[in-house]
Amino acid sequence: KNEVEQSPQNLTAQEGEFITINCSYSVGISALHWLQQHPGGGIVSLFMLSSGKKKHGRLIATINIQEKHSSLHITASHPRDSAVYICAVRDNYGQNFVFGPGTRLSVLP
Amino acid sequence: NAGVTQTPKFQVLKTGQSMTLQCAQDMNHEYMSWYRQDPGMGLRLIHYSVGAGITDQGEVPNGYNVSRSTTEDFPLRLLSAAPSQTSVYFCASSYSRGLYTEAFFGQGTRLTVV
Repeated sequence: KNEVEQSPQNLTAQEGEFITINCSYSVGISALHWLQQHPGGGIVSLFMLSSGKKKHGRLIATINIQEKHSSLHITASHPRDSAVYICAVRDNYGQNFVFGPGTRLSVLP
Repeated sequence: NAGVTQTPKFQVLKTGQSMTLQCAQDMNHEYMSWYRQDPGMGLRLIHYSVGAGITDQGEVPNGYNVSRSTTEDFPLRLLSAAPSQTSVYFCASSYSRGLYTEAFFGQGTRLTVV
């Protein structure tokens, strides 16, 4: 069983739809990160969470430490949101990450 | 402010050849790491460094060497390339302040070994 799992693996949405990507993990963590990877491009960090909820523009990330679960929501999705979204957890001991397999999102106009 | 600079962006190697992937950061971060990304799998840690002169193995270190002679640079060496090393490689640097960690990634190197 992978330490970090994501669902769905692939997601196609129409422009304007509300999108949810889920992440569950099985290890103790000090923080969880949501990352975005555009096709052919690098990886950028969207959020770092250790508890609660964070919002940045149309993106909202939540984490439930007790349930070992996090969600990334995108409101009013747009084609430019098309990317792979990666959940990564940081263990309790240092700065190493364990990554989920990613969710490929396509937003159609 | 360049962030994390990775070179080259693309590379094709023949089996048995060696090469070095370059990674440099200008943020004075102590922690740097190399990951490989394969289809259907999450990024996996190859090697990491917590500061100049200190390196350690990650999850998939075989076939790779690293060194950290300066804070800025963290090159990854493939000693004798194998087709199994065909992958996309990412270098990252990060800093932590208490529970807060900020991570920065390079643009990636797409390596094909034929």
